[in-house]
Parts: sequence; structure tokens; C-alpha cells
Amino acid sequence: GAGVSQTPSNKVTEKGKYVELRCDPISGHTALYWYRQSLGQGPEFLIYFQGTGAADDSGLPNDRFFAVRPEGSVSTLKIQRTERGDSAMYLCASSPGTDTQYFGPGTRLTVL
Amino acid sequence: DQQVKQNSPSLSVQEGRISILNCDYTNSMFDYFLWYKKYPAEGPTFLISISSIKDKNEDGRFTVFLNKSAKHLSLHIVPSQPGDSAVYFCAASSLRAGSYQLTFGKGTKLSVIP
Repeated sequence: GAGVSQTPSNKVTEKGKYVELRCDPISGHTALYWYRQSLGQGPEFLIYFQGTGAADDSGLPNDRFFAVRPEGSVSTLKIQRTERGDSAMYLCASSPGTDTQYFGPGTRLTVL
Repeated sequence: DQQVKQNSPSLSVQEGRISILNCDYTNSMFDYFLWYKKYPAEGPTFLISISSIKDKNEDGRFTVFLNKSAKHLSLHIVPSQPGDSAVYFCAASSLRAGSYQLTFGKGTKLSVIP
């Protein structure tokens, strides 16, 4: 079956701009997660959705970051007033329950 | 403060031999552990997991061992194949505490030499 998909695969933007990153989870998976991975590091948790609601957003670094999942399927991670330090690989994962998470290919964000 | 540590940034193993990747954790609330494999420019791929109620889980060439008293787990790959060359991440979560986010180590780059 189809895995988690993320678009775009690469995004280059200028400092101060707004970006949206999209995640399509595996069909039927109720849980959806966003992580951010910087070079040489493991992925770091950003936010977790159970259905349409954000069950845990404790990993969002500041109020420039926001994510939605309005219909309980597709999710969008939104970053306002991007900074160079936001450059990273943004990973989305989905899960049928609460244990094993399946990751998408990621979106490489570069802020110039 | 890193709660999940993979102290070996890299490991080289001959094809056909055993690869042993190690992971230590500090948070005693962690009760579910996973190993992921990652190729460049791809997302992490789930390999194998283990619950804290077990001390061993096998899936084909992959076996994960958990030593709760030492807060240590390891992934054994036998026999190692060139296609196993990738970065391996150890991850943990606290399911009983209702914290489903994964905490990852920094990864170990495995190179399997033909």
C-alpha cells in the first residue's frame, strides 16, 4: 500500500517568508507526527495529532510554527517569518495506534 | 540533556559478519523502543521494536536486546549485507505515560564492506 507522502520534497525560501509543508499519512492511520532533523542529529519531535486535534504540541520551538489537520487526514506544517535556523529536514510520520510510527521521505527546507 | 544516546557515530563490518549497534537511555519512563534505518535523502524506515516487558525480539536477520537494569539496548544484524549500509537510529517512547513522541539518538552509520 501507499506510504506516507510529503510535498514538496525540497523547498528553498528567503528569510522572512512564509512556508507550508504538506503530509499525506497512510490511509486509516489516526495518529500523525511532525519531526525536524538537523544535520548530524536524530529527528526531534514537533507535534502530534490524534484525529483532527493536536494532542501534544510541546515540541514546537516557538509561535512561528503551527500545524493543522482539519479533516483528520492530511496535515500542513506552517512556518511564519522563516529564519536561517529553520533550515532542516522536516519529517512526517503516521501510526495506526500509539506505538510504531512510519515515516515519509521528508521535506528539505532551506532558508537563504 | 540527551535522553537517548548512540555513542558510536560509525561502525564498519565485513559482509557476512555480525553488526552490533548499541543504544543507551536515561529516562526510566521509556517503555517502548524502536530501531530505524535511514538512507541518504530518504525518511527513516522502521526495522524492529521491543516493549519493556520483553528482553529480546527477533525478525529475520535482526534481533533487538533490551537490558532494562542497564538502560541499554542493542541491535544485532546477522549476517550483515552490503545493503545494510545506512544510518541506524535508536528511538524510545513512554506509552504507559501517554507520551507517544519518539526521542531519537544521533544515529550510527553502519558500513558493510563486501
